[in-house]
Amino acid sequence: AQSVTQLDSQVPVFEEAPVELRCNYSSSVSVYLFWYVQYPNQGLQLLLKYLSGSTLVESINGFEAEFNKSQTSFHLRKPSVHISDTAEYFCAVTSHTGGFKTIFGTGTRLFVKA
Amino acid sequence: DTGVSQNPRHKITKRGQNVTFRCDPISEHNRLYWYRQTLGQGPEFLTYFQNEAQLEKSRLLSDRFSAERPKGSFSTLEIQRTEQGDSAMYLCASSLAAEPKLTQYFGPGTRLLVL
Repeated sequence: AQSVTQLDSQVPVFEEAPVELRCNYSSSVSVYLFWYVQYPNQGLQLLLKYLSGSTLVESINGFEAEFNKSQTSFHLRKPSVHISDTAEYFCAVTSHTGGFKTIFGTGTRLFVKA
Repeated sequence: DTGVSQNPRHKITKRGQNVTFRCDPISEHNRLYWYRQTLGQGPEFLTYFQNEAQLEKSRLLSDRFSAERPKGSFSTLEIQRTEQGDSAMYLCASSLAAEPKLTQYFGPGTRLLVL
């Protein structure tokens, strides 16, 4: 079985400051890792994913995440946030085997202040 | 726009009534997932289909819940004898089965309120 832990339920940050949203996972098998974002009054959408290859993955809007197998982490970072990044961010894992069931974390609400 | 659609978007019902939600996935996607999301929580997996076959069902899903995908296209989720604890956002997502196309595309959700 897999589990996902997002330690920070809320992260307030000033505009143009760097941010890190933490995600740790637990799994007895290899997993795929995802970050999804939910903007206010919108549906969930994929931000970035790690399937294989380079452990550093990037999104088109400046976010990046690094898969760290030894620490079982997939933290999300952005060097300089914008007001428009205010949203709820969910980390998720899907196992390589079995049913491809996806387990989501409880989410981190990023609030960017002017 | 050919994204995932869900109907209705909102449903208010009285305890004990049955409700049915519909999900229309992206047309070429063979996998379809149902999740439930309550306030302050991430989506909880309920069940998923590959084509018309229901391949996995969460233990969270009591006997009052049933899902179908009769022709491998749209899906319905029915809740019988609703309870106040069923109040939540019900999300549908679809994807292609094969790596690297594991990205799930989510619909806007159906918000259920049981009075």
